[in-house]
Amino acid sequence: DAKTTQPTSMDCAEGRAANLPCNHSTISGNEYVYWYRQIHSQGPQYIIHGLKNNETNEMASLIITEDRKSSTLILPHATLRDTAVYYCIVRSLAISAGGTSYGKLTFGQGTILTVHP
Amino acid sequence: EAQVTQNPRYLITVTGKKLTVTCSQNMNHEYMSWYRQDPGLGLRQIYYSMNVEVTDKGDVPEGYKVSRKEKRNFPLILESPSPNQTSLYFCASSPDTGTGKFTEAFFGQGTRLTVV
Repeated sequence: DAKTTQPTSMDCAEGRAANLPCNHSTISGNEYVYWYRQIHSQGPQYIIHGLKNNETNEMASLIITEDRKSSTLILPHATLRDTAVYYCIVRSLAISAGGTSYGKLTFGQGTILTVHP
Repeated sequence: EAQVTQNPRYLITVTGKKLTVTCSQNMNHEYMSWYRQDPGLGLRQIYYSMNVEVTDKGDVPEGYKVSRKEKRNFPLILESPSPNQTSLYFCASSPDTGTGKFTEAFFGQGTRLTVV
């Protein structure tokens, strides 16, 4: 899986948009960008994923640059409950190939997002 | 409600005493896996299963066993726990979209294990 780079921590005011960047300059053509978050030692929660087009769901928006070397997760109106560690992961959709588990999610250190009043 | 359920949530045990952490999902997912999370090391995959009776090692399988006799259950077994297995454990499941691919993973709430 391609390596990702995220800032260690970010702050955001409640009600404002939180923009979390991720660099993945070695991403390959069949790898998707996924975002998960983990709230204080709870199980990680899936947020969104995309390949090359921008994506939006009820939780967030994902903006992927045209060269796919970086992306930004946008929480449009951050709340205190959005305080969490956010993980950017790039991986293939395939479950396995040649005995390798592509189903494995490789979590880096993530970005600690703190939403303050 | 769609969920992955782990039990117990907290467990303190002594070195060498066999234990099992259960994991059950109600979403009919094919793919299930176990992770452990340690400070500074992030989440690391222990074992995974692509379907019933199909299991394989992840990145850190030593000291662990798993089984997948039914689609919904994927227990994690520690035959002889040691203090270095003190960790936060997560079970996860994912659907196969029908073409050998999957998208999102659903995680349980975690089991905090302490081995003394």
